[in-house]
Amino acid sequence: GIQVEQSPPDLILQEGANSTLRCNFSDSVNNLQWFHQNPWGQLINLFYIPSGTKQNGRLSATTVATERYSLLYISSSQTTDSGVYFCAGDTGGFKTIFGAGTRLFVKA
Amino acid sequence: GAGVSQSPRYKVAKRGQDVALRCDPISGHVSLFWYQQALGQGPEFLTYFQNEAQLDKSGLPSDRFFAERPEGSVSTLKIQRTQQEDSAVYLCASSLGVSSGNTIYFGEGSWLTVV
Repeated sequence: GIQVEQSPPDLILQEGANSTLRCNFSDSVNNLQWFHQNPWGQLINLFYIPSGTKQNGRLSATTVATERYSLLYISSSQTTDSGVYFCAGDTGGFKTIFGAGTRLFVKA
Repeated sequence: GAGVSQSPRYKVAKRGQDVALRCDPISGHVSLFWYQQALGQGPEFLTYFQNEAQLDKSGLPSDRFFAERPEGSVSTLKIQRTQQEDSAVYLCASSLGVSSGNTIYFGEGSWLTVV
């Protein structure tokens, strides 16, 4: 099956800083998505981004499907951005594969 | 409902005990997924339902795990003869359509601890 690698595994930011999270796939994937899991465990879908670039407020994401990677940009980080960021995709069907996540802590 | 609801939120089971975890998906959502998330790891796929049909159960780790969605809405994940390695958060998710490109909405999870 496909392998999903996320980097960095852990990240500590000062409030207001910008950051880039990366997701690499071992094979072509469909339906790439980014999720945020808050400290209470709730997973929220951030972007459905199989290709191209999307922006939502301070967050944006870019997927280069031909090179099998996706990037999540966080600008002007806030303490509420803390949590774990996951990317996920599938190779057809409904078995979505998640990466191990990037654990982000934003300091006030 | 407004979101995916799971119960119980927390469950402590003695080793060997059977447990049942319930998921109420968003009303009208056709697709329902179960995931298992161990501490410090990403969610791992367990099974997928399209309405009442279980189309993919390839992620169920053993025959002690069983899931059903008899009327195409509420789903139950049952774990028989629980073992310590079953300790994890069990996440349910639903999506509106049958295409894997639909946005997936997750519940808050059922945290299972086997002692």
